[in-house]
Amino acid sequence: DAKTTQPPSMDCAEGRAANLPCNHSTISGNEYVYWYRQIHSQGPQYIIHGLKNNETNEMASLIITEDRKSSTLILPHATLRDTAVYYCIVVNAGGTSYGKLTFGQGTILTVHP
Amino acid sequence: NAGVTQTPKFQVLKTGQSMTLQCAQDMNHEYMSWYRQDPGMGLRLIHYSVGAGITDQGEVPNGYNVSRSTTEDFPLRLLSAAPSQTSVYFCASRSYTEAFFGQGTRLTVV
Repeated sequence: DAKTTQPPSMDCAEGRAANLPCNHSTISGNEYVYWYRQIHSQGPQYIIHGLKNNETNEMASLIITEDRKSSTLILPHATLRDTAVYYCIVVNAGGTSYGKLTFGQGTILTVHP
Repeated sequence: NAGVTQTPKFQVLKTGQSMTLQCAQDMNHEYMSWYRQDPGMGLRLIHYSVGAGITDQGEVPNGYNVSRSTTEDFPLRLLSAAPSQTSVYFCASRSYTEAFFGQGTRLTVV
């Protein structure tokens, strides 16, 4: 599975958009980009995923570059409850790698009042 | 609908003791897995299962055993606990689109 690179930490003001970048330059054609977050040592929580098109759900938006080598998770109106570690993970859609999640260090997002 | 349930939430073991961490899911997912998380680090895969009767090793399997006799349950056994196994353990089950994690078991081996 492709490795990912994320900044170790980011800050964001409450109510503003939080834009979390992720590099995955070795991603292959059948690998999805997934985002999870972990709030204060709880179990990780799924946020969103995509293959090559931009995606949006009730939690966030995912913007994937045309060459698929990087992506950005956008939390449109960050709240204090969004303070967490955010993990960008590349996942093989099939074969024996299905479902194996390789977690890196993630980005610690701190939302300030 | 409880999702993924892990028991116990906390456990202290003495070196050399054995124990089983329980994990149950009620979503009828075929894929289940166990991770450990050490302080300041991401989760690392211990073992996983793609269905009842089928298990395989992940990144850090040494010192742990698993079995999958039913779709719902995926217990993790520590054979002879060591201080290096002090960690937080997460169980997950996966649908086609996303993984659901339990709340974790915090294990301390003294």
